[in-house]
Amino acid sequence: GAVVSQHPSRVICKSGTSVKIECRSLDFQATTMFWYRQFPKKSLMLMATSNEGSKATYEQGVEKDKFLINHASLTLSTLTVTSAHPEDSSFYICSARLPGQGDKLFFGSGTQLSVL
Amino acid sequence: GENVEQHPSTLSVQEGDSAVIKCTYSDSASNYFPWYKQELGKRPQLIIDIRSNVGEKKDQRIAVTLNKTAKHFSLHITETQPEDSAVYFCAGTASKLTFGTGTRLQVTL
Repeated sequence: GAVVSQHPSRVICKSGTSVKIECRSLDFQATTMFWYRQFPKKSLMLMATSNEGSKATYEQGVEKDKFLINHASLTLSTLTVTSAHPEDSSFYICSARLPGQGDKLFFGSGTQLSVL
Repeated sequence: GENVEQHPSTLSVQEGDSAVIKCTYSDSASNYFPWYKQELGKRPQLIIDIRSNVGEKKDQRIAVTLNKTAKHFSLHITETQPEDSAVYFCAGTASKLTFGTGTRLQVTL
């Protein structure tokens, strides 16, 4: 079964609004979570690494003020897309490593964001 | 940083045939190479992985080979079935996971 839960699975919003996506680790503590973005028929691009209790580490070219990441607990990381625009429409997906599973990365179910 | 290239971008095989997908990586420090299967609108699912201290790993119909010297690794699927149709991503990691561009596999009857 899934070990990483992500909500919502789909969201449609108006341009200019903010959208929050939640990523939860189920039955384990994740000090680090990863947020990816995937455009249609494209690969997964790492946006940022979410660190519990400290600031997220953003990849080059990703606006930290645009994509706010909060990792306030050991089981929850949130990604907020602020002042969303149509070009932010994409599939956002989080992931985490399970303790004892080494480098294996397990993904949430993803969030399809559509900005009108 | 790491750069992972993947070929082919699309692959069509008949049911029962084998499929091979190849990837190359740039960072010699990369030591972990997973393969993911992703169906449309779904999460990527880990199907097999290999570490740099191993040259080959097999799990039923799926196998992965790694050539550290040449910096390339391949996914082999034997006796393909229609349910194998999906997009497959390779990845490499030294400090963080970098994905290849994906291969759309179509298994036809």
